[in-house]
Amino acid sequence: DAGVIQSPRHEVTEMGQEVTLRCKPISGHDYLFWYRQTMMRGLELLIYFNNNVPIDDSGMPEDRFSAKMPNASFSTLKIQPSEPRDSAVYFCASSLAGLSPQHFGDGTRLSIL
Amino acid sequence: AQSVSQHNHHVILSEAASLELGCNYSYGGTVNLFWYVQYPGQHLQLLLKYFSGDPLVKGIKGFEAEFIKSKFSFNLRKPSVQWSDTAEYFCAVRSGGGADGLTFGKGTHLIIQP
Repeated sequence: DAGVIQSPRHEVTEMGQEVTLRCKPISGHDYLFWYRQTMMRGLELLIYFNNNVPIDDSGMPEDRFSAKMPNASFSTLKIQPSEPRDSAVYFCASSLAGLSPQHFGDGTRLSIL
Repeated sequence: AQSVSQHNHHVILSEAASLELGCNYSYGGTVNLFWYVQYPGQHLQLLLKYFSGDPLVKGIKGFEAEFIKSKFSFNLRKPSVQWSDTAEYFCAVRSGGGADGLTFGKGTHLIIQP
């Protein structure tokens, strides 16, 4: 079974550049989550979608962050402009409706210089 | 708002020692509880979960956890650890009955010495 697929695995870019992270959830999963992991703050929920609709974006840190889910098999997390403090590992996860646990992707390690 | 507290940030044990990692949460309603493990360089994997029923849940790789509602706790245990258990362990909670995002603890870095 294909799990949650994230790309790229690693991204290094200069501050001020636009960064786009991509996620393909497990086929048939109705929910998609974006998390950020840092040493200081641990794992934090940024936003999640249900049936492609954003349900809770209260964890999105600033207006520089945006997320979209144009269809059931694809989501993007965009940072524009990027800043060094955005450096982190960004995880995408998906789950079935209801009480299903979340399945995580391998993450994107983002470094903003 | 939910919060999760993992008291031990770093734990070092020898192989065959017994393990207990603490997890306390704060949330007034029904909760779903999870333990995830993250091996070096890998993604988070589900170890076990509690939704309802028997408060003692068994997961993969010999791990178990006990939900004690009165103590708002969900401690992870393993009677005899192995070197391959070296990893980061995360406790997580979400409101019960929904598919909301998870609230994670800061994690416990477990090192098993051979």
